[in-house]
Amino acid sequence: AQSVTQLDSQVPVFEEAPVELRCNYSSSVSVYLFWYVQYPNQGLQLLLKYLSGSTLVESINGFEAEFNKSQTSFHLRKPSVHISDTAEYFCAVRDFNKFYFGSGTKLNVKP
Amino acid sequence: DGGITQSPKYLFRKEGQNVTLSCEQNLNHDAMYWYRQDPGQGLRLIYYSQIVNDFQKGDIAEGYSVSREKKESFPLTVTSAQKNPTAFYLCASRQGGSNTEAFFGQGTRLTVV
Repeated sequence: AQSVTQLDSQVPVFEEAPVELRCNYSSSVSVYLFWYVQYPNQGLQLLLKYLSGSTLVESINGFEAEFNKSQTSFHLRKPSVHISDTAEYFCAVRDFNKFYFGSGTKLNVKP
Repeated sequence: DGGITQSPKYLFRKEGQNVTLSCEQNLNHDAMYWYRQDPGQGLRLIYYSQIVNDFQKGDIAEGYSVSREKKESFPLTVTSAQKNPTAFYLCASRQGGSNTEAFFGQGTRLTVV
């Protein structure tokens, strides 16, 4: 079975500063990687995904993540965060028909 | 609008009672999933189903049961055998194929008193 590790449970950052949320997964022959965002008392929304091809994937709201096979990582970055980015972020890997999620990182953007 | 509907959003039950959480999708997705979310533990898979009339246990199936009689519906029953049922429950669905992600409902928060 796969496992996903999100190293930071909470990340405080000031508005307009850059941020990186770290994600590592256990190795496999091939994986599909995802980042989801969750606002309080809501479901998860897909932020971005890596399926194949270019190792750098981007979302429409300025987030990007880079798939690094040798380090089995899929870190999420944003060069300048906004207050509205405050939420919990989950890294996930799909292996065959099952999704495995990390424990989540709470991003707290301060003014 | 296509999507996944979970109902109710909040549910309160007395200890020892069974309770059923509803999940309906109109996305025509083949696969459906139930996850449990507890603070600091991420999402843990309870059950999943790839096709109608078939489902498999996830990592924490004890004390839960499901059915998949229709493609669009995947209800979850939390039985009295579940020792700690208070949690946030999330339903998801996915279209078949290799390049697809999971779509989530808005969740049901179950509180057992």
